[in-house]
Amino acid sequence: NAGVTQTPKFQVLKTGQSMTLQCAQDMNHEYMSWYRQDPGMGLRLIHYSVGAGITDQGEVPNGYNVSRSTTEDFPLRLLSAAPSQTSVYFCASSSIGPDNEQFFGPGTRLTVL
Amino acid sequence: AQKVTQAQTEISVVEKEDVTLDCVYETRDTTYYLFWYKQPPSGELVFLIRRNSFDEQNEISGRYSWNFQKSTSSFNFTITASQVVDSAVYFCALFYYGGSQGNLIFGKGTKLSVKP
Repeated sequence: NAGVTQTPKFQVLKTGQSMTLQCAQDMNHEYMSWYRQDPGMGLRLIHYSVGAGITDQGEVPNGYNVSRSTTEDFPLRLLSAAPSQTSVYFCASSSIGPDNEQFFGPGTRLTVL
Repeated sequence: AQKVTQAQTEISVVEKEDVTLDCVYETRDTTYYLFWYKQPPSGELVFLIRRNSFDEQNEISGRYSWNFQKSTSSFNFTITASQVVDSAVYFCALFYYGGSQGNLIFGKGTKLSVKP
């Protein structure tokens, strides 16, 4: 099992550009989520999904879109990047329910100039 | 509202010292789960422990131990005889039920530096 994979590992964008951060898991997990990590802020939830076709907003959803067409993939889209979106992004997956460990991907470091 | 507070932003100790990382949480839920994660300098997040609100037994795993006290809403983490490899950022997190599925809310983390 590869676990949770994220691509790319690093990305530099210019303000206004769009891009998609990819996240895939091979553990057949229903639940997937995206967090951003900023210095001194911990991890904050952006969006999450409890299954294909079902997504919901987290704490900081503005500026990000998600969709979930398959169980395995949960891409995060930045439609018009802003410097405030410079951050490290983590994708996570788990089975449904708090009793299940969340598995995190290695992260994507994004810089918006 | 749910909240996790890790008041210690940074801690520096010398190897072999014991160190305790504090975590205080707020929730109105009667059923909840608490977690600790480690983030070493390489950046990945490593799961350390999960504890549910009905289990107040302290947990010990090698040099690591956790003290869960509902009366003070705290879930503190102690490393005994710290080692340089323990240097990392440690996050406490609370699982809460919101929206269509419960989610984790993280504290801001405590950066632990263990010097030789």
